[in-house]
This record gives sequence, structure tokens and C-alpha cells, in this order.
Amino acid sequence: AQSVTQPDIHITVSEGASLELRCNYSYGATPYLFWYVQSPGQGLQLLLKYFSGDTLVQGIKGFEAEFKRSQSSFNLRKPSVHWSDAAEYFCAVGAGFQKLVFGTGTRLLVSP
Amino acid sequence: GAVVSQHPSRVICKSGTSVKIECRSLDFQATTMFWYRQFPKQSLMLMATSNEGSKATYEQGVEKDKFLINHASLTLSTLTVTSAHPEDSSFYICSARFDPGGAGGYTFGSGTRLTVV
Repeated sequence: AQSVTQPDIHITVSEGASLELRCNYSYGATPYLFWYVQSPGQGLQLLLKYFSGDTLVQGIKGFEAEFKRSQSSFNLRKPSVHWSDAAEYFCAVGAGFQKLVFGTGTRLLVSP
Repeated sequence: GAVVSQHPSRVICKSGTSVKIECRSLDFQATTMFWYRQFPKQSLMLMATSNEGSKATYEQGVEKDKFLINHASLTLSTLTVTSAHPEDSSFYICSARFDPGGAGGYTFGSGTRLTVV
């Protein structure tokens, strides 16, 4: 069965600084990988997804993620964080368009 | 595109009553919908998967008789929390798969905050 690990529960980044959120997955085949963002009391918004092809995926709001099969990772990056990026970020893995399995999330705090 | 509308966004109900949550796909046909539950500051836990026209598949530990799921059409799935109790208070989110077999993905509703008093 697939699983997702997000090792960082909280991360604080200064506004304008770069960001990297870690995600490691466990799945026997080629996974479908997703990053979602959730603001308090809201649903989830898709930032980006990887199904196949280019391992560097561009998403919305200036986010990107790189799929590294050898490391079973799909880390999310942003070169310059804005205060509005403060939210909860979830990495998820899907198998064949069946259910998604989510990581425990990383709360991003942005300091002035 | 691929929008899911979830209602209500917030609901407060008395213990012992039932609450229905609706999720509608607005611009696509959702053959499969997923229902998640999220406790404060925790991740999303899948409760059940519903396919249009068939019975929902529940995850282990989820009470089928308590969380009734109906997916009678390609655009509407409902979750009814029956005989709600305070421990059912949570954030419930639906999700729909779109563009199956293609390069689509999953879209999520905005969630329902259920408080049972």
C-alpha cells in the first residue's frame, strides 16, 4: 500500500526567502504525485501534479516540484515566498486514479 | 474547470440528529467521489469511495450505518451523518476524480465544518 511522509510539521520562512517542503512516498509502481495547499477552514487547492514525463513540474503560484525516483521524493519548492503563502501543504500519492493517500501536512509560517 | 461545490460550509446540529452534506460537480461528470474527514491540525483521512449508481466502499473502521453515502447521479454525492454525536464533529471534505484515464486529477470541495452540540 502507498504511504506518504512529510517529515516537517512546521516550517518558518522569511518573506522573500526560498522554500523547500519535503515529501517522501512509498509505492511499488510509478506513482501519481500531488501537492495541495489548504488555508484554514478551506478545502484543498491543487498546486501541481506529476503523472509522467519531465520530472520537474511547474505549478501555480510560482511553485515547482521535482520527482526523484531514486530517492522516492517529490519535494516542493518556491524561490521567493510571499506572506500569502502561509498555509498547510499536503503531499499526496495516488495509484491508478484510485484513492489518494495524504501526508500529515506541513504548516508554513512566513515571517516578515 | 473541474469544480466541486460543497454545501453547507458550516453546520451546527444537536446530538442525535442527522446532517446531510452535498457535493456537486459543476462542470464535469464525477463518476467517482471520495469523502474525507479531517481533525484539527491533522491530515485527511479517507472515509469512503462512492461510484455513481453503486454502493460506496468504506475504509476500515468507518461505520457504514453512521455515515451514509449516496451517489445517485453523475453530478451529486451526499454524505449523511446519522444520529450525530459530539465525537463526529469534524471537517468533512469531498473530492471528485475528473478526466479518468487522462491527465486530469482530483478536485476538492471547500469542506464542511460540522459541530455537534
